[in-house]
Formats: sequence, structure tokens, C-alpha cells
Amino acid sequence: LAKTTQPISMDSYEGQEVNITCSHNNIATNDYITWYQQFPSQGPRFIIQGYKTKVTNEVASLFIPADRKSSTLSLPRVSLSDTAVYYCLVGDGGAGSARQLTFGSGTQLTVLP
Amino acid sequence: EPEVTQTPSHQVTQMGQEVILRCVPISNHLYFYWYRQILGQKVEFLVSFYNNEISEKSEIFDDQFSVERPDGSNFTLKIRSTKLEDSAMYFCASKGTGSYNSPLHFGNGTRLTVT
Repeated sequence: LAKTTQPISMDSYEGQEVNITCSHNNIATNDYITWYQQFPSQGPRFIIQGYKTKVTNEVASLFIPADRKSSTLSLPRVSLSDTAVYYCLVGDGGAGSARQLTFGSGTQLTVLP
Repeated sequence: EPEVTQTPSHQVTQMGQEVILRCVPISNHLYFYWYRQILGQKVEFLVSFYNNEISEKSEIFDDQFSVERPDGSNFTLKIRSTKLEDSAMYFCASKGTGSYNSPLHFGNGTRLTVT
């Protein structure tokens, strides 16, 4: 299982762009990179997933360099409600089997007014 | 948008008692998971389930734990004899098969308190 490393915490101000980087040096060829958001006392919520280059959806962008050993979650113009823990997960899910996806310690993002 | 639902939202039990945590995964999903999160700690994998059998389990998932899909909609986690250290949030998740690597969808958890 690919291990991930993220900053423990980050602070930002409302309206700023936030970039959270995750390292996954031993990522395997079949592994995808998935980011989740978790609010207190709630289950993790899917944000975005990618394999290489750049992926964008309505809430975030995900940048993955060519070597795929890291990835960066970009949140444009954060608001107070984006205060949460953000997790980077790496795995292939496993077609035909339910292989585990392992959560790291995550990054506590605090958005300040 | 379809959701994973978990019941109860909060369960209080005495040490040594059996508890069953219930989950209704998203209807067309085939891969099911249980995770737990002790207060202030990270989300930990317990077990994954596919095709009516356990695919993987962690060292946390010992003989006191079992999972079952008793019908076409429910997915349950049973703890036979609860211990104080089983107090945690328990999250159920499911995963579809539409794409090769579809993401996990989590419920909002059951908070288990063992006294």
C-alpha cells in the first residue's frame, strides 16, 4: 500500500487559494489519487480523483506531476465552511476485489476570517 | 444524490455486550467497507467485503468482529463483546463498479460509546 505524507495543518484566510500537497513516493502504476474532506462527526466526503496531469471539478483542482510521486489539491477562494480535515489516499481499488484504501493523518485546514 | 445511510447515529452499550451497527449502502454498489475513527485520531480501515465474502481485514478486525450482508440492502458490523477501547465513530462506505476506480461513498457514521 502506498504511504502518503501531508502537512499536519494549514491556515488560510477567506477568499485565498489553498494548495495542499501530498507525497506518495511509492505509488504503483495502477494507483489513483483521491482526496476526501471530513468535517467533525461526519464521514469523509469525496472531493476529487485523478491519475495524472490535471483534473478539475466544480469544487477543486488536482495537479499530478509526470512522476506521480506527489499531488496537490487546490481549493480556489476558500470560505470559512472549507475548514475541515483533507485526506489524500492512494490505491487502485482493485477491480474484482474490495482492496482497502488507507487514510493517513490528513491535513487540518483552518480558514480564518 | 444517493447516500450511504447508517443506523443508529449513536449507540451506548455496556462493556461485554454485543452491538450491531447497520448500514444501507448505495443500491447499485457491490464493494462495502467498515472504517472506524477514535476521537481525535485518523480514520482506520477495518474490513472490506465483496461478492459475499471478506476481501481484506486489518489487525483491528479480530474474532470479536464480524460482518454480514443479510439481504440485498443491508451491511452490518457486529461486535460480540464490546470493550471500552471499541468506543469510536464507525463509518460504513460503499463503492460502485461503473468505473475502474470509483471513489468510496461514506455514511455519516455511528458513534459507539462503551461504558
